[in-house]
Amino acid sequence: GAGVSQTPSNKVTEKGKYVELRCDPISGHTALYWYRQSLGQGPEFLIYFQGTGAADDSGLPNDRFFAVRPEGSVSTLKIQRTERGDSAVYLCASSPGGAADTQYFGPGTRLTVL
Amino acid sequence: AQTVTQSQPEMSVQEAETVTLSCTYDTSESNYYLFWYKQPPSRQMILVIRQEAYKQQNATENRFSVNFQKAAKSFSLKISDSQLGDTAMYFCAFHSGSQGNLIFGKGTKLSVKP
Repeated sequence: GAGVSQTPSNKVTEKGKYVELRCDPISGHTALYWYRQSLGQGPEFLIYFQGTGAADDSGLPNDRFFAVRPEGSVSTLKIQRTERGDSAVYLCASSPGGAADTQYFGPGTRLTVL
Repeated sequence: AQTVTQSQPEMSVQEAETVTLSCTYDTSESNYYLFWYKQPPSRQMILVIRQEAYKQQNATENRFSVNFQKAAKSFSLKISDSQLGDTAMYFCAFHSGSQGNLIFGKGTKLSVKP
């Protein structure tokens, strides 16, 4: 079946603007994760959804970052008042939902803040 | 706090030879899972192999195998008969049984040379 998809593939914005990044998980997967990967680093956890609710948002760096998953499927990561330091690849992953399940990743969105 | 350390920023190997990538981790948990992910230039994070901490037998997937030393908290990846398509970043990752998110190392850049 189809894997995790993310749109857009690349996003260039100006400092101070608002952006939305979308993730479409594997059909039937109840768990969804957002990670941020800076250049030369491993991915860092941002937020985890189980169904429609955020089960763990401890990785969000500040209140400019927000994510939703209103129907328990597609998720949107929202970044307000973007800063140059927000430039990174944003990765989304999904899993069937159990604590032991493997996470499957999408191709990521490369965000560049000028 | 759990940490994952990959001490080899870059490695190279000749085609058809064997290479081992190192990973150590730190945790006080007894129930956890370890993973190796491959990230080619396309950015897609691809699962290579996974190991459950409660299993004594080392996981194997075709040319990929791990050496899991639980007491030493070591989890190395061995790639046999290296192929040009194995060229990528390799990330070691940890997932506890009580926490949803993955914790990644900084990665090892592997180059397979013809």
